[in-house]
Amino acid sequence: AQKVTQAQTEISVVEKEDVTLDCVYETRDTTYYLFWYKQPPSGELVFLIRRNSFDEQNEISGRYSWNFQKSTSSFNFTITASQVVDSAVYFCALRADQAGTALIFGKGTTLSVSS
Amino acid sequence: EAGVAQSPRYKIIEKRQSVAFWCNPISGHATLYWYQQILGQGPKLLIQFQNNGVVDDSQLPKDRFSAERLKGVDSTLKIQPAKLEDSAVYLCASSLDRTTREQFFGPGTRLTVL
Repeated sequence: AQKVTQAQTEISVVEKEDVTLDCVYETRDTTYYLFWYKQPPSGELVFLIRRNSFDEQNEISGRYSWNFQKSTSSFNFTITASQVVDSAVYFCALRADQAGTALIFGKGTTLSVSS
Repeated sequence: EAGVAQSPRYKIIEKRQSVAFWCNPISGHATLYWYQQILGQGPKLLIQFQNNGVVDDSQLPKDRFSAERLKGVDSTLKIQPAKLEDSAVYLCASSLDRTTREQFFGPGTRLTVL
């Protein structure tokens, strides 16, 4: 079975703090893809990043960074020096090719950044 | 490049009424997905099309939900009759084809069933 767990329901930080959103996944497939999406109040899901199961290199994009560890089945997302505009719901998702091409989402983490 | 378009953005209906949602994917995208997002949860796949054929509808409540993509471009999702538990955001997404990893999402239709 495929499953994504985001244990943190809500996180509140003050601007300029660093924050890490956790994601733990379950799959028996050897080929799979992990994603992070951002859902601002407008409701549209915005694609942030995709990693495949064969590439464990961490990635940094501006203030965003992602830590992929197959040993712990985790794909965590860190925002450095958070800003008010980062306030949104963040979803981690899994796509395992043997299970089809649809995404399996976690329940999301609501991030609130105050000024 | 235009994104995924959906309409209406909001809909309020009484239970047992019917409702339809429309989605126009990104031009040239062969694969189209409908997801249901209940408040406080992540999106869940309802149905997936490849061109005008259904690839996966295993989680679609077929006694009340139906969907079509007759010409392999835009798609309609219908609920008849609606139940209170159908209140959710209905998201449409598209990708170039089934092997393409990225899915692009529309703004969604927020349905409230009273």
